[in-house]
Amino acid sequence: DGGITQSPKYLFRKEGQNVTLSCEQNLNHDAMYWYRQDPGQGLRLIYYSQIVNDFQKGDIAEGYSVSREKKESFPLTVTSAQKNPTAFYLCASRRAGVRETQYFGPGTRLLVL
Amino acid sequence: AQSVTQPDIHITVSEGASLELRCNYSYGATPYLFWYVQSPGQGLQLLLKYFSGDTLVQGIKGFEAEFKRSQSSFNLRKPSVHWSDAAEYFCAVVNSGTYKYIFGTGTRLKVLA
Repeated sequence: DGGITQSPKYLFRKEGQNVTLSCEQNLNHDAMYWYRQDPGQGLRLIYYSQIVNDFQKGDIAEGYSVSREKKESFPLTVTSAQKNPTAFYLCASRRAGVRETQYFGPGTRLLVL
Repeated sequence: AQSVTQPDIHITVSEGASLELRCNYSYGATPYLFWYVQSPGQGLQLLLKYFSGDTLVQGIKGFEAEFKRSQSSFNLRKPSVHWSDAAEYFCAVVNSGTYKYIFGTGTRLKVLA
């Protein structure tokens, strides 16, 4: 069954701690995205990657980092520099071409202790 | 700059009533337009999309949307709402140069029994 998985579902961060959110897809899509969702603000793009070993900053990249070493995986690290990390984080991948569509994972909720 | 506006933050309808959710976009070229639905604590699910051709597109769960270039709109409709349609709905446009998706801030639908 193809799809996008995100783990964990809930994540707790202590002050000064870096945490990593996992995103894996088995859809064979080249492009992957990370969004942050806050109430009333829709989805804001953090980072995106169009191909392995390449990624670009989105609109709110400060305090976050990513890697794209494998086509299937696009982990997001929330660093201690991100002062307001509490949010719902969504990973997506994109099917390109004539059937252009973005597909989403189930999300990870990050909370600060 | 490209943008998507969903003017209604909240909408309440009675079960069985008709529904229309508004979406206005700003994009220089022919837009690729999408509607997604999100249940609480979940990822986004694609309802329908428009690329070209027939301006009335059908989607899943009985939803349809009409593209009106003259009004820069892509409104979502359903003839008879079910209680299970209560969710948040997002309109999006994709930039065909960068393949960044731009989302509206969402409309939260409440359905009265």
